[in-house]
This record gives sequence, structure tokens and C-alpha cells, in this order.
Amino acid sequence: DAKTTQPPSMDCAEGRAANLPCNHSTISGNEYVYWYRQIHSQGPQYIIHGLKNNETNEMASLIITEDRKSSTLILPHATLRDTAVYYCIVRSTGTASKLTFGTGTRLQVTL
Amino acid sequence: KAGVTQTPRYLIKTRGQQVTLSCSPISGHRSVSWYQQTPGQGLQFLFEYFSETQRNKGNFPGRFSGRQFSNSRSEMNVSTLELGDSALYLCASRPGQEVTGELFFGEGSRLTVL
Repeated sequence: DAKTTQPPSMDCAEGRAANLPCNHSTISGNEYVYWYRQIHSQGPQYIIHGLKNNETNEMASLIITEDRKSSTLILPHATLRDTAVYYCIVRSTGTASKLTFGTGTRLQVTL
Repeated sequence: KAGVTQTPRYLIKTRGQQVTLSCSPISGHRSVSWYQQTPGQGLQFLFEYFSETQRNKGNFPGRFSGRQFSNSRSEMNVSTLELGDSALYLCASRPGQEVTGELFFGEGSRLTVL
């Protein structure tokens, strides 16, 4: 699986959009981009995934650049409950159970 | 619908002992995978089971083993415990072996080795 690079930490004011970047310059054509988050002392929670098109669900939007070398997770209206570590994962086709987690971005949402 | 259930949630063992952790997946899910989370190494894949067969394995020594039962429940075992095995052990389940899709994680079993 391709390696990902994320900033170690970010701050966001409550109610504002949180834009979390991820670099995956070595991604190959069949690799998906996944985002999970982990709130302190809980198991990771799936957020969204995509291959090449932008994706949106009730939690977030995923914007993947045309060359697929980077992506951005957008939380449109961050709340205090969104404070967590966010992991960007690139996974090849095959079983979706074997994920390679990096160090993630610690997002702190403040009042 | 109940989520992934892991037991016990907390346990303390001493070096040299062995431990067995249990995971009950979401009803209807047949794939169960295990992860180890430590402050130093982060989240690392241990293994995955589907239909009682190990399908994938991470880079862990043979002291780490697992199994899956016909009802999809899974157990993992760590023998001859070392201090470095202190970690949060997470179980995750999926309906099957689809190419894409999300993993549903449990709350984890926190193991402390003294």
C-alpha cells in the first residue's frame, strides 16, 4: 500500500469547516483512499473512502486531486465532538480489512 | 443492531503468562480482523479471519495467534507475554471479503503486562 503523509496536528474553530490534507504521491491506479478517525480511547470509526471521484456522505466530503497524489477530507461544520485523530489510508484492491494506519492528524476543535 | 463487542475491556497480566481476548462481530458479519495499537507503533494489523480461516496475517511473531468459530466469533491469543505486548487490541468486523467498504471496530481490550 502507498505511504501517506499528514500534518501531525491541526486546530479548527467550532462551526467552521475543517480541511484535513493528505499526501499520497506514490498512489497507484487501483488504490483507494480511506479516512478513519479515532476519538480518545475508542476504536477507529470509518468516515469515507474514494478512488478517483470526489465523495460526500453525511459525515464529510472527500476531495481527491485529478492526479490522485493528494486528497482533502472536509468536515463542513466542525463540532467539539469531531476532536479526534484522523487517519488517511491508501489501500490496494484486495481485502479491505488489512489497513496500514499512519500517524494521522490530531484535530482539535475549539470554541 | 449491536456493534462489535470485545471482552474483557481491561486486563492485567505478568510476563510469561498467556492471554485470550474475545471478539463478537456485528450480527451477519463473517470477516473479523485484529489490530494492535501502541503509542510507539500506532495501529498495526495482526490478522484477518473469514469463514473460520485465516486470510491475512501481519508481521507479528508466532506468539500471536487467533481463530474464528462457526458463529463468526473470534479469539486471539498471546502466549509468553512480554512487556512490549502491553497495548490496546482492537477487533473489527465486515460483512464479507468485499473489495471496498468500511471496517466496524470495537472499543478494544486494553492489556497491561507487568
